[in-house]
Amino acid sequence: NAGVMQNPRHLVRRRGQEARLRCSPMKGHSHVYWYRQLPEEGLKFMVYLQKENIIDESGMPKERFSAEFPKEGPSILRIQQVVRGDSAAYFCASSLQGQANSPLHFGNGTRLTVT
Amino acid sequence: DQQVKQNSPSLSVQEGRISILNCDYTNSMFDYFLWYKKYPAEGPTFLISISSIKDKNEDGRFTVFLNKSAKHLSLHIVPSQPGDSAVYFCAAMTTREYGNKLVFGAGTILRVKS
Repeated sequence: NAGVMQNPRHLVRRRGQEARLRCSPMKGHSHVYWYRQLPEEGLKFMVYLQKENIIDESGMPKERFSAEFPKEGPSILRIQQVVRGDSAAYFCASSLQGQANSPLHFGNGTRLTVT
Repeated sequence: DQQVKQNSPSLSVQEGRISILNCDYTNSMFDYFLWYKKYPAEGPTFLISISSIKDKNEDGRFTVFLNKSAKHLSLHIVPSQPGDSAVYFCAAMTTREYGNKLVFGAGTILRVKS
């Protein structure tokens, strides 16, 4: 399967714990995006990374959230001290290039539930 | 601040007929528009896109129309098939910015009845 791989598919955390969401982009893709979908809403942009660099994090909450895309390994979205409002589906996408004619390919998401 | 709006939460269509999904946007900087389709428990899948220099783009059963003056676009599916039943998201971006930072609508649930 050469698609975007996200794991875990489901993650349950208690309030105050940390959540780590992983994303392996499609082979050859060096552009990674994280989106969040709250119930009954569309996907909201969080952060855009390109190997080892954060290009745009304008959609990331200022506190508790961080993202990285190391030279080796998957991209990680990290949420510290989770709260109930963090419960959502988190989608990762990748693209070959950073232009509009290089469509985003999405993974199947990680559904985070905070209890 | 919803820059991309899909005002119909759901749409029900008979198999073989036309499905028309609508989308409105407010940001004049948007110059590239996309439609994504999403099945439950899966990620969105790219369907079709259109640049603001065009008013129509066709790919098989799918056609996207863009009316820039009205800031409105629509997706036509002809003929509709039961397998088309899914959530459809309209998305927009500005190509002046580097990267594919998409702004999504809330989605429209399409049900195609056989």
